[in-house]
Amino acid sequence: SSELTQDPAVSVALGQTVRITCQGDSLRNYFANWYQQKPGQAPVLVIYGRHSRPSGIPDRFSGSSSENTASLTITGAQAEDEADYYCHCRDNTGDHELFGGGTKVAVL
Amino acid sequence: QVQLLESGPGLVRPSQTLSLTCTVSGGSIIGPGYSWAWVRQHPGKGLQWIGHISFRGTTSYNPSLQSRLTISADTSNNQFSLRLTSVNAADTAVYYCARLHSAWYAFDSWGQGTLVAVSS
Repeated sequence: SSELTQDPAVSVALGQTVRITCQGDSLRNYFANWYQQKPGQAPVLVIYGRHSRPSGIPDRFSGSSSENTASLTITGAQAEDEADYYCHCRDNTGDHELFGGGTKVAVL
Repeated sequence: QVQLLESGPGLVRPSQTLSLTCTVSGGSIIGPGYSWAWVRQHPGKGLQWIGHISFRGTTSYNPSLQSRLTISADTSNNQFSLRLTSVNAADTAVYYCARLHSAWYAFDSWGQGTLVAVSS
């Protein structure tokens, strides 16, 4: 299938660890990228190429993958990490892009 | 540091054509290694890839929009544009332009987004 599936929402206590997952057949062939989006703002790339971080992204954000599932982990979640997180990868046609439906992360 | 800025009308009448332009600064749209993309977000919803144009000028479109969509580039002004015909209320969204890294297939820079409403 040409879809990426994410859980709609998760919550995490301040300072604890949360893992967000993304499932899809395309992830067997292409790396997942992850974006953080806060209300009223454009998305920001936080993980690319499965586990690389752009400059300026805190190292509490990490990525991993296995077969058809990619994960974004926030270790020691901070209040400012409360946001929507979207996974993205190229689809199996090799020419189109797919986004997951997004996961809303609440930091309690 | 590349910057992208969307421009265009905030209101389009149903059945008319939506036209947006993205002006790129701090980098050339004909430089190798990147494509230039449009992504939209319906109110309260997730992100939807619309399409992109490569530095060579080749295009790729979302199949659900392909029949109504044209993405083009103006290399002399370092801009790229989106043209969506026969719009309806379902095209109301925030439209983002973004840079797509050709090696990582990651959107590594984004414009601030522009809200386009389709309404009579």
